Amino acid sequence: NAGVTQTPKFRVLKTGQSMTLLCAQDMNHEYMYWYRQDPGMGLRLIHYSVGEGTTAKGEVPDGYNVSRLKKQNFLLGLESAAPSQTSVYFCASRTDTYQPQHFGDGTRLSIL
Amino acid sequence: AQKITQTQPGMFVQEKEAVTLDCTYDTSDPSYGLFWYKQPSSGEMIFLIYQGSYDQQNATEGRYSLNFQKARKSANLVISASQLGDSAMYFCAMREGNNAGNMLTFGGGTRLMVKP
Repeated sequence: NAGVTQTPKFRVLKTGQSMTLLCAQDMNHEYMYWYRQDPGMGLRLIHYSVGEGTTAKGEVPDGYNVSRLKKQNFLLGLESAAPSQTSVYFCASRTDTYQPQHFGDGTRLSIL
Repeated sequence: AQKITQTQPGMFVQEKEAVTLDCTYDTSDPSYGLFWYKQPSSGEMIFLIYQGSYDQQNATEGRYSLNFQKARKSANLVISASQLGDSAMYFCAMREGNNAGNMLTFGGGTRLMVKP
């Protein structure tokens, strides 16, 4: 009963460090998404993928890169972390247009 | 302009009473979907209810119902018989039909606090 799994759950980085957040889903969903949620705000879309090997930019893509080499995995990379990227990151996946997005539990990322 | 607007940053409701959380949206696409998610203090996003723009009836899921007024572009969430466990952030979101990735746009959320 895994659904959408995000790793790690928490991470503290120093400015300029790089890291990769992993999202894995076991529901054979085509669509996957990365969002960020800043304190007191709704979610904003960073990047998304409509299928294996495809990625596209969302609302706030700057400073992030993504890859979808396997259908079940969607990776979010920060090449040079900045304090403005301190946030909670959510991954989501979906099967088709009329179905809701299923979310992971989030990754809390702090950049000092 | 904001695509999804939730005008109530915070609300209190007495346990066992009903509460309405407001959501207005802005789109020119005739085909769209509206979603409500609950985010408890533990942080996860829980899907509650969905309304499609062509649905003739208001959506209902247990104690949750959606008061969909298409002409007013509103999709308010109604929670009946509030429980202490309903205390959480609630987000309204929209998927527009012309959206290649079927992405969701979220509102800023409403924090609901249920009083015993």
